[in-house]
Amino acid sequence: EVQLLESGGGLVQPGGSLRLSCAASGFTFSDYGMSWVRQAPGKGLEWVSAISGSGSDTFYADSVKGRFTISRDNSKNTLYLQMNSLRAEDTAGYYCARIIAVAGHFDYWGQGTLVTVSS
Amino acid sequence: QSALTQPASVSGSPGQSITISCTGTSSDVGSYNLVSWYQQHPGKAPKVMIYEVTKRPSGVSSRFSGSKSGNTASLTISGLQAEDEADYYCCSYAGSGTRVFGGGTRLTVL
Repeated sequence: EVQLLESGGGLVQPGGSLRLSCAASGFTFSDYGMSWVRQAPGKGLEWVSAISGSGSDTFYADSVKGRFTISRDNSKNTLYLQMNSLRAEDTAGYYCARIIAVAGHFDYWGQGTLVTVSS
Repeated sequence: QSALTQPASVSGSPGQSITISCTGTSSDVGSYNLVSWYQQHPGKAPKVMIYEVTKRPSGVSSRFSGSKSGNTASLTISGLQAEDEADYYCCSYAGSGTRVFGGGTRLTVL
């Protein structure tokens, strides 16, 4: 059974940093691209970032480019999102999701971890 | 990377059919047959209902179907059931590894 479990969310001040993790199980992690999608409280889904199965290719939404870094450790079956220079508008639930190929859809989602950026 | 346009809300009675539209541009919806639709119940993670415009994952009811014409994709739900009440989001590949979501549509089953 595919499982994705996010962790690392919490309260951080504006300008601060946070690293999210997503532990994957139930599939060969390195065979799949992965992605982060966020959802501000009461708002819609926003694609944040994606990474290829090998980790060699990374992609970002304009809203986070230069501030967030996606990475993965295939030996630990774990996806990461390093978030720097956080802003109030980054407050959201962050989901990790498995993607079918670099351009494909999100076929499995985690339950999300909440990030709150506030002073 | 502008969001795709969806109606904020739609409603229908049990047994009826509804269609949710998703309008993008020639850079996303119009360029790729890579539109997917997600259902999200309150407090839950999204679930894929349609991918690659028309394909249905195993386990998803055949009452859900997708289509596309030009820059607009659509999700149709036939034989509405109470359990279909949820938020629905479209998503399109937009090139260079990026994706764009629609603003979401709240479906109310009357």
